[in-house]
Amino acid sequence: KQEVTQIPAALSVPEGENLVLNCSFTDSAIYNLQWFRQDPGKGLTSLLLIQSSQREQTSGRLNASLDKSSGRSTLYIAASQPGDSATYLCAPTGGSTLGRLYFGRGTQLTVWP
Amino acid sequence: GAVVSQHPSWVICKSGTSVKIECRSLDFQATTMFWYRQFPKQSLMLMATSNEGSKATYEQGVEKDKFLINHASLTLSTLTVTSAHPEDSSFYICSARGTSGGANNEQFFGPGTRLTVL
Repeated sequence: KQEVTQIPAALSVPEGENLVLNCSFTDSAIYNLQWFRQDPGKGLTSLLLIQSSQREQTSGRLNASLDKSSGRSTLYIAASQPGDSATYLCAPTGGSTLGRLYFGRGTQLTVWP
Repeated sequence: GAVVSQHPSWVICKSGTSVKIECRSLDFQATTMFWYRQFPKQSLMLMATSNEGSKATYEQGVEKDKFLINHASLTLSTLTVTSAHPEDSSFYICSARGTSGGANNEQFFGPGTRLTVL
């Protein structure tokens, strides 16, 4: 069974810092991996999707890398802002045709002014 | 990105009643929709996977007679919590995946439904 671990569990930083959020997963047989953010009491917003054949994806201040063979993905957030405060979740897609996502507990990020 | 809606956004009901939650893909067709439950401070737990026109596949430990899922069209799936009890109180979130690309497709999530059973 796929297990996802995210480190750190929580992060509190002043705005402007460049951040690194780590994700590891136990089964490397994945189709892709998505990064999401979740604001309190809300659903998930998709940030980036990396296919299993790709090494990284970028969107604005966000960059995600994927090392499928070692079961790791990293989300980089450049020049963090208070609006980035949220819980960040990584979710690899399983090897079945159903393409289910597996979630860890996420990293709770607080960026203060 | 694609938009997924859920209705209602929150519901309060008495113990023993049934509650229906709708999940719609607004601007794309979704062959597969997923239903998750999230308890406070916990991550999302997959309850079931629903494919249009066929029976849902439930995760181990999820009672299919209690959580009825219908996926009658490519844009709508419903989750009915039957005979709800206080322990069913949770945040229910659906996601939808487009029809092309199979499991490689990105999943888009709804805003969630907060269910409180008194």
